[in-house]
Amino acid sequence: DQQVKQNSPSLSVQEGRISILNCDYTNSMFDYFLWYKKYPAEGPTFLISISSIKDKNEDGRFTVFLNKSAKHLSLHIVPSQPGDSAVYFCAGFDSGTYKYIFGTGTRLKVLA
Amino acid sequence: DVKVTQSSRYLVKRTGEKVFLECVQDMDHENMFWYRQDPGLGLRLIYFSYDVKMKEKGDIPEGYSVSREKKERFSLILESTSTNQTSMYLCASSYLGQGLNTEAFFGQGTRLTVV
Repeated sequence: DQQVKQNSPSLSVQEGRISILNCDYTNSMFDYFLWYKKYPAEGPTFLISISSIKDKNEDGRFTVFLNKSAKHLSLHIVPSQPGDSAVYFCAGFDSGTYKYIFGTGTRLKVLA
Repeated sequence: DVKVTQSSRYLVKRTGEKVFLECVQDMDHENMFWYRQDPGLGLRLIYFSYDVKMKEKGDIPEGYSVSREKKERFSLILESTSTNQTSMYLCASSYLGQGLNTEAFFGQGTRLTVV
């Protein structure tokens, strides 16, 4: 049972345009949702998070939107830059179990 | 800056060998985790620990064990490696409290190849 799903394995976007990465979840017990960025041969680095009681959180070029009724979240990157090219993972955190459950990732390619 | 350090970047082992993957964090975090990353499967939780000497199974614990004798150190043990354990192994740590600062911090990863 996959609790966090990222249905798009890859995405290509032109530099300067908006990148939208999507994530769906099934576990209603998640308190927070997080986005991580991963370059090859490195560990994931934290990007941005959102509490389950919020619907939007913004940090510079990155905005995360949460639609709790649809169990859907998205990460918007505006404007996209070539250095944003990486694999992006969304994760749900359940404070009752202390577990982070990750999705399968979306590979973003920003074309110069 | 939080630092999570994994003992090796790359390892090559023969089938049946025993492997220890060590992870140390310097932020006094209570929680520590071991994940493996495989193409198309994302990050899957193997084991985690929320206190010294405590351990909990994740989603794929078979073939693995862990040890947490000190708060800063969490070891993953592969008793008898098999080729299907070839993967990128990632250690992470996090603060136990609640709030927006609940992110997990990851080490640089260990690429294990079993031949």
